[in-house]
Amino acid sequence: GAVVSQHPSRVICKSGTSVKIECRSLDFQATTMFWYRQFPKQSLMLMATSNEGSKATYEQGVEKDKFLINHASLTLSTLTVTSAHPEDSSFYICSARGSLAALETQYFGPGTRLLVL
Amino acid sequence: AQSVTQPDIHITVSEGASLELRCNYSYGATPYLFWYVQSPGQGLQLLLKYFSGDTLVQGIKGFEAEFKRSQSSFNLRKPSVHWSDAAEYFCAVVTSGTYKYIFGTGTRLKVLA
Repeated sequence: GAVVSQHPSRVICKSGTSVKIECRSLDFQATTMFWYRQFPKQSLMLMATSNEGSKATYEQGVEKDKFLINHASLTLSTLTVTSAHPEDSSFYICSARGSLAALETQYFGPGTRLLVL
Repeated sequence: AQSVTQPDIHITVSEGASLELRCNYSYGATPYLFWYVQSPGQGLQLLLKYFSGDTLVQGIKGFEAEFKRSQSSFNLRKPSVHWSDAAEYFCAVVTSGTYKYIFGTGTRLKVLA
């Protein structure tokens, strides 16, 4: 099946700094990428949807100025957590879809664990 | 609002035993239903999906799931569990007209040797 990678797999940063997480589709072109956040023992919560070349659409309650999403190419989307604080510590997962069809299978990355000290 | 419930947070079974993971959804129409498995260090992997047609769906790794509209359920089953099946399992629904996944809280499966 299709492969989606994320980098880094885990990152520790100081409070107030910014962290960038990359999501790449390795063997297909991803017209749409999604970013999720997963708290321990909780479900994946959709943060935002990004289409290549356009602005991301954020879910209600997600601060777009804090979680900057860029989808500059068909194989790469980035999530930047700006001025990170300990409450931003979480597991961030991206997924990618290869077409505009609503039910096209999404392929998930392995996730990035962020710890903000 | 649409929602997905996985009543069991943890399940432990012996290797070779049968398995059923429960999933209930709340949605006014027929949803599109998925089961994913998440192993440490790996992305969520699609086990199976239901869109329409036969309510018994076969997936990978010997898993199957049955859609029961009357019970708003989509339970995942496997007749004989292998130690490698130990992982976290997520049920998800995508409502028609959108592409957004709504995930359940997951069930962590432990397999005893």
